[in-house]
Amino acid sequence: GIQVEQSPPDLILQEGANSTLRCNFSDSVNNLQWFHQNPWGQLINLFYIPSGTKQNGRLSATTVATERYSLLYISSSQTTDSGVYFCADRISGTYKYIFGTGTRLKVLA
Amino acid sequence: EADIYQTPRYLVIGTGKKITLECSQTMGHDKMYWYQQDPGMELHLIHYSYGVNSTEKGDLSSESTVSRIRTEHFPLTLESARPSHTSQYLCASSGFSGMSYEQYFGPGTRLTVT
Repeated sequence: GIQVEQSPPDLILQEGANSTLRCNFSDSVNNLQWFHQNPWGQLINLFYIPSGTKQNGRLSATTVATERYSLLYISSSQTTDSGVYFCADRISGTYKYIFGTGTRLKVLA
Repeated sequence: EADIYQTPRYLVIGTGKKITLECSQTMGHDKMYWYQQDPGMELHLIHYSYGVNSTEKGDLSSESTVSRIRTEHFPLTLESARPSHTSQYLCASSGFSGMSYEQYFGPGTRLTVT
């Protein structure tokens, strides 16, 4: 079946640093999304980005569908960015989603 | 405002009890999902529904059951809770939002079975 790999699995940053998170897919990209899971466990929608580039404040995302990967950029990181970042995509021909294993980010003050 | 609601947010219960986790959405979506997740770990799909009276088991085997009698309501029931059911349960729905097709999540229920 389809595989989703996220890297790095864990990341520790000093406040103010920049980072890039990556998501690789083994199959075609359909409805790729990025989520942030906050310390209370809720998943917050960051980007819907099946292709191209989007920016929202200090966060931006790029998906290269032809090469089956997506990148999430966090600039000038803040402690509130801490948590787990997941990418997910809808499986072709279904309305089920597959999630990556997540990147656990900790931003130190 | 369109949203997804889950109750209770936290539940501590003894072994053998029957519990129902509630999930409601005002997003107007017809697809709904239940995921099970240990803290900070990957999400596992345990049930999904494409519409009223339609329910399917997900990729992770679960002793829970679900029902979908109304579009906006998708409760999950455990007939006899066990310590192995201790986890976070996340409800989600998916549908069109403008030009995009997205999945949205409720705040989750943290279940502890003693």
